Amino acid sequence: SQQGEEDPQALSIQEGENATMNCSYKTSINNLQWYRQNSGRGLVHLILIRSNEREKHSGRLRVTLDTSKKSSSLLITASRAADTASYFCATDVRDSSYKLIFGSGTRLLVRP
Amino acid sequence: DTGVSQDPRHKITKRGQNVTFRCDPISEHNRLYWYRQTLGQGPEFLTYFQNEAQLEKSRLLSDRFSAERPKGSFSTLEIQRTEQGDSAMYLCASSLAGGRGRFRTDTQYFGPGTRLTVL
Repeated sequence: SQQGEEDPQALSIQEGENATMNCSYKTSINNLQWYRQNSGRGLVHLILIRSNEREKHSGRLRVTLDTSKKSSSLLITASRAADTASYFCATDVRDSSYKLIFGSGTRLLVRP
Repeated sequence: DTGVSQDPRHKITKRGQNVTFRCDPISEHNRLYWYRQTLGQGPEFLTYFQNEAQLEKSRLLSDRFSAERPKGSFSTLEIQRTEQGDSAMYLCASSLAGGRGRFRTDTQYFGPGTRLTVL
């Protein structure tokens, strides 16, 4: 079963605009990760935020985590056409396996 | 390229046939995971290995599925008597428990996947 739910399911923006995607999850976590997937390809790791962190930056990416609300957001600033992809949040449950539980993803289209 | 490779990239088979997929993780990684992804959905966990030991299997992994990691390096996933419902992308990921820096614990690096189509 899917733990995370991304919102929105699909997002279409103009190149240069910012894109914000949200993720909610259900159980306690060690960390939350965001991945990008281009159509029909594997997943590329973007950023990991631990449960004791509230915000993290990596280049044009900014991730926030609110464990009290069990939610996270991914902000992509100054979007580019190459950012067109599906974005997934993934949480690892608090056991020893570190297995990831993914949401259903947000499909981002950046129009040139 | 994450350093995780999978073979084949695509597999078309007829219902009832057996198929086997291979995953080569990043060489120093001791954990290896298999996930399945259907169209429009996020990946779902199937099983994972710590070195050569298979430590957890999802309920999604029916008796027709078997995974091995014989020497704690590469892994194979076999599906016997394939069904149309097995059609999906099968993803492999690896991580290093206790790693630091770029290969820190918790970060899973995914391969390109094997897309299975069962006719």
